[in-house]
Amino acid sequence: DVKVTQSSRYLVKRTGEKVFLECVQDMDHENMFWYRQDPGLGLRLIYFSYDVKMKEKGDIPEGYSVSREKKERFSLILESASTNQTSMYLCATATRLERVTGELFFGEGSRLTVL
Amino acid sequence: GQNIDQPTEMTATEGAIVQINCTYQTSGFNGLFWYQQHAGEAPTFLSYNVLDGLEEKGRFSSFLSRSKGYSYLLLKELQMKDSASYLCAGVSGGYNKLIFGAGTRLAVHP
Repeated sequence: DVKVTQSSRYLVKRTGEKVFLECVQDMDHENMFWYRQDPGLGLRLIYFSYDVKMKEKGDIPEGYSVSREKKERFSLILESASTNQTSMYLCATATRLERVTGELFFGEGSRLTVL
Repeated sequence: GQNIDQPTEMTATEGAIVQINCTYQTSGFNGLFWYQQHAGEAPTFLSYNVLDGLEEKGRFSSFLSRSKGYSYLLLKELQMKDSASYLCAGVSGGYNKLIFGAGTRLAVHP
């Protein structure tokens, strides 16, 4: 079974703090994604990566950055957390996407509260 | 944009059939996924349609009409454990990434 592990289930941070959310997968998937999920808005794509050291902006990248130094690890960074970044953050992985995409495998989520 | 629309909430009775609709703009999508998400848990894969027609998998079926930008998820013989949010997601053509709708929260009552 695919295992996608997010480092923290619950975090509470203060405005202006730097926040790291880590995601590790054990299935050798090339593709990794970071989404945030908010009531009424669904899942919105922040950043994604198709390979080591490669990253692409999603629909809402402002205020976030990512790092993919190793294939199995994809980190989401909030350089200076703000209250509007309070949300549930979900990491997902998929096999390489060619003409048709593979299904996404999600981690358990990290609920971030910024005070 | 590539909007995906689905109803916010639905209710149904145990043992009944429910259909959850999803509409989207036709340009740029290469297929459609349905995911189930129980409260407090991660989404899990239900179905994937890339061609027009009905895909059946046990109690769940999914339908796609690419020309109409329309899909539905059909749940038969509803059980209490089917109470969850159901997420419709389109495969965006550019990078084959998934664009999600806001989800439909289904409540199954005895």
